[in-house]
Amino acid sequence: AQSVTQLGSHVSVSEGALVLLRCNYSSSVPPYLFWYVQYPNQGLQLLLKYTSAATLVKGINGFEAEFKKSETSFHLTKPSAHMSDAAEYFCAVKTSYDKVIFGPGTSLSVIP
Amino acid sequence: DTEVTQTPKHLVMGMTNKKSLKCEQHMGHRAMYWYKQKAKKPPELMFVYSYEKLSINESVPSRFSPECPNSSLLNLHLHALQPEDSALYLCASSVTGSDYYGYTFGSGTRLTVV
Repeated sequence: AQSVTQLGSHVSVSEGALVLLRCNYSSSVPPYLFWYVQYPNQGLQLLLKYTSAATLVKGINGFEAEFKKSETSFHLTKPSAHMSDAAEYFCAVKTSYDKVIFGPGTSLSVIP
Repeated sequence: DTEVTQTPKHLVMGMTNKKSLKCEQHMGHRAMYWYKQKAKKPPELMFVYSYEKLSINESVPSRFSPECPNSSLLNLHLHALQPEDSALYLCASSVTGSDYYGYTFGSGTRLTVV
């Protein structure tokens, strides 16, 4: 069965520092992967998606993610954290049954 | 219009009440979803509608009853809920059920069962 795991339920970075949120997937077929962000008391917003067109995917708000098949990873990065990036981040995979399954989430805190 | 609108934003209901959650989108999307999200947890899929037909029911208790009256509207009827059903209920839509463009989510209805 396809699934995703996220290493680190909570990540803290200083403002201006690199953001790295980890996601690993399990899939026997080429996966379709997504990163979503959820701000407090809001729904989820799509940050970016991997659909096999390119391994380096650029998204909104300066985020990008790199698909590495050899490492079964799809880590999310941003060169310089901003206070407004503090939120919950979910990695997700679309399964062969047309379901989107979310990882457990990583809470990002940005320290001024 | 690029939004999914959910009403109400907050709902408090007793265990004997009947209430409904509403979700609306005008993006021409033909797949719509209900997710349940408990605090500090990821969203969990409940139902999927594709072209107004129920295509996936994730073994959700019958006290939750979905309805898709047309391609723009999705309802979730609630009856005889339990306190453990208190959660954020999220609606989402996508172009079709099998596309890979990602979902558009609403802001959710925060449900409290007393």
